[in-house]
Amino acid sequence: EIVLTQSPATLSLSPGERATLSCRASQSIASHLAWYQQKPGQAPRLLIYAASTRATGIPARFSGSGSGTDFTLTISSLEPEDYGLYYCHQRSIWPPAFGQGTKLELK
Amino acid sequence: EVQLVESGGGLVQPGRSLRLSCAASGYTFIHHAMHWVRQAPGKGLEWVSGISWNSGSKGYADSVRGRFTISRDNAQNSLYLQMNSLRAEDTAFYYCVKDNGPYYDSTGDWHFDYWGQGILVSVSS
Repeated sequence: EIVLTQSPATLSLSPGERATLSCRASQSIASHLAWYQQKPGQAPRLLIYAASTRATGIPARFSGSGSGTDFTLTISSLEPEDYGLYYCHQRSIWPPAFGQGTKLELK
Repeated sequence: EVQLVESGGGLVQPGRSLRLSCAASGYTFIHHAMHWVRQAPGKGLEWVSGISWNSGSKGYADSVRGRFTISRDNAQNSLYLQMNSLRAEDTAFYYCVKDNGPYYDSTGDWHFDYWGQGILVSVSS
């Protein structure tokens, strides 16, 4: 089973700052990684798939990169609506797995 | 607009059963696999079960195999999860999730592209 480890657990930043979230896989998953955003009381929303492809309607300030075992989600300039939980997810190897999440909070 | 609406959750005693339903709309239901993903309060996401477009293949997490049964009705655009022998550790929000492909266990760049709002299942005496 693949284990996804996200870091940091919590990231405290101000609006306008750049956010960098990491996800590391326990073995290579090529580019088969997705990122989801979850706000309090809401369902997760797909942001990025195939490591770097933005989902429909996702703003250009969100970008993904990486392959193999190391992946990054970058938010170029934080907007107030970007605060919440972020999860990485793989379906390269069955069963599917999620990271434990990174909480992006207002500094 | 894709909509996934869960129903059937609530408070249930350990050992009892519950059936979740999910009504899908806004896309061609029969073309896509479907899943249930759960999230214990304050915890992370856990894949529970998946079913392919034609019900030809189904899968379960080890934690629920033998107790939960997934099914779908393509004529009704509906997904179900029959949960038997419920345990306290099954307490969670359960999300109905759409796959972007037809087979629940496809590997590669397949992903969960739409999620329902979730429904709470609470198992307690």
